[in-house]
Amino acid sequence: QQQVKQSPQSLIVQKGGISIINCAYENTAFDYFPWYQQFPGKGPALLIAIRPDVSEKKEGRFTISFNKSAKQFSLHIMDSQPGDSATYFCAALYSSASKIIFGSGTRLSIRP
Amino acid sequence: DGGITQSPKYLFRKEGQNVTLSCEQNLNHDAMYWYRQDPGQGLRLIYYSQIVNDFQKGDIAEGYSVSREKKESFPLTVTSAQKNPTAFYLCASSIYGGAFSTTDTQYFGPGTRLTVL
Repeated sequence: QQQVKQSPQSLIVQKGGISIINCAYENTAFDYFPWYQQFPGKGPALLIAIRPDVSEKKEGRFTISFNKSAKQFSLHIMDSQPGDSATYFCAALYSSASKIIFGSGTRLSIRP
Repeated sequence: DGGITQSPKYLFRKEGQNVTLSCEQNLNHDAMYWYRQDPGQGLRLIYYSQIVNDFQKGDIAEGYSVSREKKESFPLTVTSAQKNPTAFYLCASSIYGGAFSTTDTQYFGPGTRLTVL
């Protein structure tokens, strides 16, 4: 299975709150899991990424939690700010097969 | 000022016409990619190129063609055979020729929104 299922489709969070976006995959051959941030009218930009041998990775206010047994990973944005309002995509990379599969995206809105 | 340039930002074409989208990078990256983005869907890979004069089909290559005659340029032609060409098209590049390496990062251009009337 090559799909990556992302939820929720849209999310509204109050300023200062925690934003959580979830992704699930089927193919255990995926070996890299990046998250991208996209602002309207712009191309996506790499935000943070994790390998499956690590359970958590933190960069500033952004944390990826990875559950290998459940084949799920999530993005947590702490102290969410209005500037974080964007669409977020998870992805899964199967490097030896030159495959990258993107989730369908989550539109995040942070209310001031 | 290094980066990826896509032009034009908006493009309108009549049904049945071929159209070529431009992608230029001055990052000296070996690999380049074309993706298609539709509302409510993730990005889908059309073509990628790891080196000049070589390119590979992605997941949705039908109805598209590419060329890679120069390292910095990777134009995409949307042909009349593409059934539903209206979409947002994104070009990306990465440093290494080994496309989809876990140690490599793809940098995206600003995109071209193509509308076929």
